[in-house]
Amino acid sequence: AQSVAQPEDQVNVAEGNPLTVKCTYSVSGNPYLFWYVQYPNRGLQFLLKYITGDNLVKGSYGFEAEFNKSQTSFHLKKPSALVSDSALYFCAVRDINSGAGSYQLTFGKGTKLSVIP
Amino acid sequence: DVKVTQSSRYLVKRTGEKVFLECVQDMDHENMFWYRQDPGLGLRLIYFSYDVKMKEKGDIPEGYSVSREKKERFSLILESASTNQTSMYLCASSLSRPQHFGDGTRLSIL
Repeated sequence: AQSVAQPEDQVNVAEGNPLTVKCTYSVSGNPYLFWYVQYPNRGLQFLLKYITGDNLVKGSYGFEAEFNKSQTSFHLKKPSALVSDSALYFCAVRDINSGAGSYQLTFGKGTKLSVIP
Repeated sequence: DVKVTQSSRYLVKRTGEKVFLECVQDMDHENMFWYRQDPGLGLRLIYFSYDVKMKEKGDIPEGYSVSREKKERFSLILESASTNQTSMYLCASSLSRPQHFGDGTRLSIL
C-alpha cells in the first residue's frame, strides 16, 4: 500500500522569505511523486513531478521540490514567497510497480500555506 | 491544454434524491477519476475508470456508482443522496501522469 503524510496542517511565512511545505511518503517500490496546488473554490493544479533522475525538480510558478530517497521525503520549496502563493498544497504518490488501475494517486491531507504581507 | 469540465459548480439536492455529477474531458484520456474532498481528510478516491465501460472502486465507493459510456465522459451517481455526502467533488483525467482536475462541484444535500 502507498501513503503520503503532510505533517503540517498550516504553514505561515512572511512575504519574501523562503518557504517549505513538507511531504513524506511510503511505497513498496520506487515512487512517482507530485505536488498540486488548490486555490479557493478551484480544482487542483499540477505544479511538478518526480519520476526519475535529478533529485531537485523544478516546476511552475518558481516552485521546486527535493526528492530524498533515504528520508522518503519530497518537500516543496520556493526561495521567495509571494502573497499570491497562499493556497492549499497537496502532495501525491504512486508506486511505479502498482498494477491494474495503476494511474491512481494517493494524496496527502493538504497543507494550507499563508504568506503574510 | 487539457480541459476537464464539471457540469455544475454548485448543486443543492434533498435527501433521497438521485444525483448525477457529470465530467467531460477533451484530451482523449483513458483514465478518469472521481474524488471527494473534505476538510482535514484531503482527497479520497471514490471510483476510477481506465477505459470505456470499465470501472474500479476506490477507497470510499459506498453510496456511489459511476458510468462511462463514452471515453470523454465520466458520471458519478449518488443513488439516494444523504446528508453525509455533502462535500466537494473533483473529477480528474489522465493519460499516464499527471492527473488534470476540473474545478469541482460543491454539493449540498439538505
